Amino acid sequence: LAKTTQPISMDSYEGQEVNITCSHNNIATNDYITWYQQFPSQGPRFIIQGYKTKVTNEVASLFIPADRKSSTLSLPRVSLSDTAVYYCLVALSGGYNKLIFGAGTRLAVHP
Amino acid sequence: GAVVSQHPSWVICKSGTSVKIECRSLDFQATTMFWYRQFPKQSLMLMATSNEGSKATYEQGVEKDKFLINHASLTLSTLTVTSAHPEDSSFYICSARDQASGGRWGEQFFGPGTRLTVL
Repeated sequence: LAKTTQPISMDSYEGQEVNITCSHNNIATNDYITWYQQFPSQGPRFIIQGYKTKVTNEVASLFIPADRKSSTLSLPRVSLSDTAVYYCLVALSGGYNKLIFGAGTRLAVHP
Repeated sequence: GAVVSQHPSWVICKSGTSVKIECRSLDFQATTMFWYRQFPKQSLMLMATSNEGSKATYEQGVEKDKFLINHASLTLSTLTVTSAHPEDSSFYICSARDQASGGRWGEQFFGPGTRLTVL
């Protein structure tokens, strides 16, 4: 499984856009890039998944360059409730492959 | 989205006793579930993969005789921490993938977690 590297922590303010970049240099052809959010004392929650280029849903966008060696999670206009840990993972297509969590990025949103 | 529940949400036990944690997929079937452990301020650590009708697959360094996993049905997996000690105190989380979810390969549904405290 490809190893991921993210910043340990980030700070932002309400209303700003937050971009969290993750590197995954050893990503394989069949790997998808997946992001999860975790609040304290809760299980993680799926945010978004992508393979290449750009993916957007109701909560975030995911930008993946052509070489797929990195990806950027973009959170538009964050609020205090977006304070959480964000994990970048790679997951193989097909089957029921296990997810290996890295250290994650601890995002703190300030008033 | 699909819902995964865990029971109990928290448990306190004496050292040497065994504790069972249940993980249920409420509105979908899951032939495979996963068990994680998370210490304070740390990431999730995968402990084992629970397979319905067969033996669990444990990650390296996880004692299979200490952490017993049973996946007797398509909606229920249990983790039993045997002879628990204070160092087993942690947040235990399970997850499952909805087989019918199609191409969202990285999407798993996580339970709310179980806080185990061993005195």
